Amino acid sequence: ETGVTQSPTHLIKTRGQQVTLRCSSQSGHNTVSWYQQALGQGPQFIFQYYREEENGRGNFPPRFSGLQFPNYSSELNVNALELDDSALYLCASSKPQEEKLFFGSGTQLSVL
Amino acid sequence: DAKTTQPTSMDCAEGRAANLPCNHSTISGNEYVYWYRQIHSQGPQYIIHGLKNNETNEMASLIITEDRKSSTLILPHATLRDTAVYYCIVRPAGGTSYGKLTFGQGTILTVHP
Repeated sequence: ETGVTQSPTHLIKTRGQQVTLRCSSQSGHNTVSWYQQALGQGPQFIFQYYREEENGRGNFPPRFSGLQFPNYSSELNVNALELDDSALYLCASSKPQEEKLFFGSGTQLSVL
Repeated sequence: DAKTTQPTSMDCAEGRAANLPCNHSTISGNEYVYWYRQIHSQGPQYIIHGLKNNETNEMASLIITEDRKSSTLILPHATLRDTAVYYCIVRPAGGTSYGKLTFGQGTILTVHP
């Protein structure tokens, strides 16, 4: 148990819809990052938030966006869903300068 | 970040040591070696990290070669619960992208009874 919780655990959407995934960070952690993990692949970095601002982004289009709230919880929003967006979405929290990330169990998104 | 190469899969008998190799021949002087693992249906879990000295914690040992071009993760007494995908990751120390890890395909370790 890492203390990082994600909701919902599973979600089914149709192509073109929008989705919001939520993450509650481990206590005391003010940095949150999001990853996408396609079936059979390693997780791919989407972006990172620190003190409510995005400060690092991977190779994902602008329709992937996020928010971090004052309590350090976070949301990942994906607009105009595509079939290839079907994946496990992982949230991880950390403290700046701390060398390890703590991951949640993820949200499994299926786009039909 | 430097690229890593790992075997696709490995087997180990329960109770024996599991030795997982990783090649990172293009590693830079300020880059650390990290190991995470991912058990089915869970998020990745941090195991250990090191720069150039060997490291040991309650989960595993990390042996880094003197030229730092490869490393080995050692699980001294593997159990069935160690069956997972093991990821070797190279990342610079410090900087602002604390939350960014570049995962490869990893090694699927299967521990047999």
